[in-house]
Amino acid sequence: DAGVTQTPRHEVAEKGQTIILKCEPVSGHNDLFWYRQTKIQGLELLSYFRSKSLMEDGGAFKDRFKAEMLNSSFSTLKIQPTEPKDSAVYLCASSPGGAGTLYFGAGTRLSVL
Amino acid sequence: QQQVRQSPQSLTVWEGETAILNCSYEDSTFNYFPWYQQFPGEGPALLISISSVSDKKEDGRFTIFFNKREKKLSLHITDSQPGDSATYFCAASVQQGTGSKLSFGKGAKLTVSP
Repeated sequence: DAGVTQTPRHEVAEKGQTIILKCEPVSGHNDLFWYRQTKIQGLELLSYFRSKSLMEDGGAFKDRFKAEMLNSSFSTLKIQPTEPKDSAVYLCASSPGGAGTLYFGAGTRLSVL
Repeated sequence: QQQVRQSPQSLTVWEGETAILNCSYEDSTFNYFPWYQQFPGEGPALLISISSVSDKKEDGRFTIFFNKREKKLSLHITDSQPGDSATYFCAASVQQGTGSKLSFGKGAKLTVSP
């Protein structure tokens, strides 16, 4: 079975640009999560979807971060406009739901200059 | 507000020693505690988990000890190997029939020296 696929693996952006990160969850999973990972803050939840419905849109990230699930097999995270402090690894994860395990993608490393 | 706290932030042990990673939590309604292991360049992956009805869970060289009264748990890695060098995340959630959302600690970087 294919795992969670994230593209691109690396992204370099100029300050003020719009970037879109992509995620394909494990087929059949109901829950999808976007996390931001930094050494200082660890894993921070950005968005949480259940059966394509947005359940949580991380408070501190609402203004410039927007996640969408276009269908059950594809999600995007848009950051607009980017700032240098957005430099981090962005992780997508999916889960069958309930007591199910989270399956993470390998992440997208974003560098904002 | 950090719901899940981990200590130490980093730990170095020699090959063959036991590594102990600690975790504590705030919310007494948490009832599911997974540990995730992350290697550089990869996403975290589930290593082992425990529910609040148990006080110990063992899987090979990895053991979780859970103290509900003190809201603490620990991950013991016995006979540590260089391949265990990774970052370990403690997490917690309230398990519900319709799904759950994990709160993660900030992680602990383990280095096992040969």
